[in-house]
Amino acid sequence: NAGVTQTPKFRVLKTGQSMTLLCAQDMNHEYMYWYRQDPGMGLRLIHYSVGEGTTAKGEVPDGYNVSRLKKQNFLLGLESAAPSQTSVYFCASSYRGGRAGELFFGEGSRLTVL
Amino acid sequence: QKEVEQDPGPLSVPEGAIVSLNCTYSNSAFQYFMWYRQYSRKGPELLMYTYSSGNKEDGRFTAQVDKSSKYISLFIRDSQPSDSATYLCAMSAGIRSYGKLTFGQGTILTVHP
Repeated sequence: NAGVTQTPKFRVLKTGQSMTLLCAQDMNHEYMYWYRQDPGMGLRLIHYSVGEGTTAKGEVPDGYNVSRLKKQNFLLGLESAAPSQTSVYFCASSYRGGRAGELFFGEGSRLTVL
Repeated sequence: QKEVEQDPGPLSVPEGAIVSLNCTYSNSAFQYFMWYRQYSRKGPELLMYTYSSGNKEDGRFTAQVDKSSKYISLFIRDSQPSDSATYLCAMSAGIRSYGKLTFGQGTILTVHP
């Protein structure tokens, strides 16, 4: 059982380039999330989805777009990368009816923007 | 001021010590309180889960919540080198918040043999 899988695990971008991070979960969870983790800041919510075809903004959504065309996948896009987006990105999922706040995380995607 | 404050440490203790980790918060709407453990280069994993005020014990781990003081704690008894990790407190306002958690900064813990 793979759980939550993120690809790629590492990426280096130049300022202005675009890229997409892919998150896939095999637990049939309804809810999915993208967080970023920066030193001294903890994890901050970027965007989330409560079901296929739905997305919503979190705490720090600027500069990112997301899509959830299939229940098992949640994509995070950077249209024009900036050095401030250098971070570790975590995807997470949870199921409706589960304990509020019980998230299942992937192993992270480390992004460096030069 | 951040909604959730957590001392980032780092904290270094000898094996067998009792470890106390703490967070304070300012949002009275928080009802669900969690501690996540994160090993180096891995994603966070849920360690302890508490609803409202009170204590919860699970093996060597005890979570305490004092809503009147807006203060939560995690105690680790008989700490082991395998407990070395970053510990993140997290909070949620409730079911309708889905997984929109507010995290503390994380405390880096090292337990040395």
